[in-house]
Parts: sequence; C-alpha cells; structure tokens
Amino acid sequence: QKEVEQDPGPLSVPEGAIVSLNCTYSNSAFQYFMWYRQYSRKGPELLMYTYSSGNKEDGRFTAQVDKSSKYISLFIRDSQPSDSATYLCAMSLKAAGNKLTFGGGTRVLVKP
Amino acid sequence: NAGVTQTPKFQVLKTGQSMTLQCAQDMNHEYMSWYRQDPGMGLRLIHYSVGAGITDQGEVPNGYNVSRSTTEDFPLRLLSAAPSQTSVYFCASSQVPGVNTIYFGEGSWLTVV
Repeated sequence: QKEVEQDPGPLSVPEGAIVSLNCTYSNSAFQYFMWYRQYSRKGPELLMYTYSSGNKEDGRFTAQVDKSSKYISLFIRDSQPSDSATYLCAMSLKAAGNKLTFGGGTRVLVKP
Repeated sequence: NAGVTQTPKFQVLKTGQSMTLQCAQDMNHEYMSWYRQDPGMGLRLIHYSVGAGITDQGEVPNGYNVSRSTTEDFPLRLLSAAPSQTSVYFCASSQVPGVNTIYFGEGSWLTVV
C-alpha cells in the first residue's frame, strides 16, 4: 500500500465549477502538506503549503488538512481552462525541503 | 534568474550504457534532490543532498549514484542503464529549512532500450 493515496482521475469539470481534490495518507508523523500543479511536460510548481491541521486560502485555492483523519483536500473555485493540469499532493515529516512523499497525482480537465 | 536547470531534456540509452543527468541551480540553495516520476506513481525520491560534500539515499537509490562537489551542481549518474530506469527525472532545490521554497527543474525524459 502506498504511503500517500490519490485518485488518478481524470476529473472533468465545466469552466466555473469547483474542483475538489483529496489525498489520504498512512503516516501520522507527516507535518507539512503541499499541493503542486504540474502542466504537461513541465516540472511541478508549488500551489499551497500547510503546516499541521487547518485551512489555508490563497485566491481561488483553499487547502484543508485533517490530521485526525489523515486526509487533505484542495479546492479550486471558479475553475478556468488554464487550471487543466495534474495536481500532486506531497507531504514531509520535517520542515527541511529535501525529502517529500508524493501522491500519484490527479489529472484535471476544465472544459470551456 | 534561471532557477533549476536540467540537461539533457531527452535521452535514449541502450541497456548497459552509463550516463549523467546534469542539474544546476543559481539560487544558492543548500538542499538538492533527485526524483523520478513514473505513470501513476507520483514522484519518488532517489538521492538528496543537504550541502556540498553531503549526500544520502532516498526511497529508490539502486542503480544511481550522486555527488555534490559544489553548492550549484548535483549530477545524477546511471551506472549501467536498465529498461526499468525509463522514467522522467526531476531535480529540485530548496532553502533551509524550506518545504515551501522547493523549486523543480523542467525534467529529463530518459528511455532505456
């Protein structure tokens, strides 16, 4: 069983809809939770970063962490065709940015 | 500011050949890492370095070698390529402590035939 599970999708939504993404994990020692966006043939880029449990909002993006359930979520409001990409969740035991554990990624397609 | 630069972008190797994937960063980051990405597997850590002269193994280190002689460069060597090493390779760098300062390169697509 993978340490971090993520539905591969694809997830297809109409433009303007809310995109809901999530990951579950098994290691309760994870403390730092990230969401990355990856366009085709490109490297991942950091979207959201959260420490421990709670919510964080940045523009159209909201990240939620529920450590008691070992479950994290990313919501994208007012989705745009430019949001079409693969979204990867990642987790770390420590603040040091050298050892991340990733989910498999969810492919999202926002249709105009 | 170039960020993290990886070369080559694409490479085809024959089984048994050796090669080096280059990674350079111009942000004076202490931490650098190599990941491989396979379909449905996300990114998996191969090797990482916390500074010049210091390297350690990640989740999938077998068949790969690294060294860190300067802060800027972190090359990944394939000693004897195998078809199982066909993958996309990403180099990353970050500040200390820095999970929220990680920058990835554009990737190197490697095919071993």
